[in-house]
Amino acid sequence: DTAVSQTPKYLVTQMGNDKSIKCEQNLGHDTMYWYKQDSKKFLKIMFSYNNKELIINETVPNRFSPKSPDKAHLNLHINSLELGDSAVYFCASSQGETSAYNEQFFGPGTRLTVL
Amino acid sequence: GDSVTQMEGPVTLSEEAFLTINCTYTATGYPSLFWYVQYPGEGLQLLLKATKADDKGSNKGFEATYRKETTSFHLEKGSVQVSDSAVYFCALTEKTSGSRLTFGEGTQLTVNP
Repeated sequence: DTAVSQTPKYLVTQMGNDKSIKCEQNLGHDTMYWYKQDSKKFLKIMFSYNNKELIINETVPNRFSPKSPDKAHLNLHINSLELGDSAVYFCASSQGETSAYNEQFFGPGTRLTVL
Repeated sequence: GDSVTQMEGPVTLSEEAFLTINCTYTATGYPSLFWYVQYPGEGLQLLLKATKADDKGSNKGFEATYRKETTSFHLEKGSVQVSDSAVYFCALTEKTSGSRLTFGEGTQLTVNP
C-alpha cells in the first residue's frame, strides 16, 4: 500500500488554466505539506496543515490555494497557471511536528508542465 | 532564518569509490539534521538523521556526524555502488520553525560501473 499518494503523476496544461493536484496519506498522520521542486531540484515548502488547519503559508502567490477536507487529504488548487509554475510538486505527511522522531514521508511527486 | 548549504554537484564517481557530500547549516537554535535521497522519478526518502551534537546517523552504508562546532553534517560512504546514483538532500528542522524542513540545494550523484 502506498503511504502517500498523489494524482496525477504528470500534468500538462496551457497558461491561464486552473488545475488541481490531489494528495492522500494512509499513515494516520495529522500534518501534511506541499513542497515545490524547481528545475534545479531546489525544494521549498509552500504550505503545511495540521488537523485541517493551515500552520505554514510561505510566500506563495494567492493563485495557489490548498484545501484539506480531512486529515488524510491535502489538495492543491492552482488558478491562472503561469509558465513559472512548471515544477514538480511533492506532498508529504508527518505525525505532529517534524523532528528526528517524527519523520516526514513524501509522495512520488506531480510533474506540472505549463505550456 | 535557517539555511542549508550543500556542495555543488554533479558528482561523478566510479563504483567502489569513497563518497563525501558536504553540508553546512545555519540555524537559530538546536536543529535536527537529515539526509534525504531522491532516486530518479521518485519522491524523497529519509536516508539518515541525527538529533544532537556528535550523534552519528547511519543507513545502507552511509554515515553522517552532527558537528555543532563546525555546523556541519557531511555525508560519507566508503564504497559507492551504481544503485546509489540519486540526488541527495541535506535538511534541518527546528522546533521554532514549526514543522518545516529546510533543504539544501541537492547534490546529484552518478556512479559509473
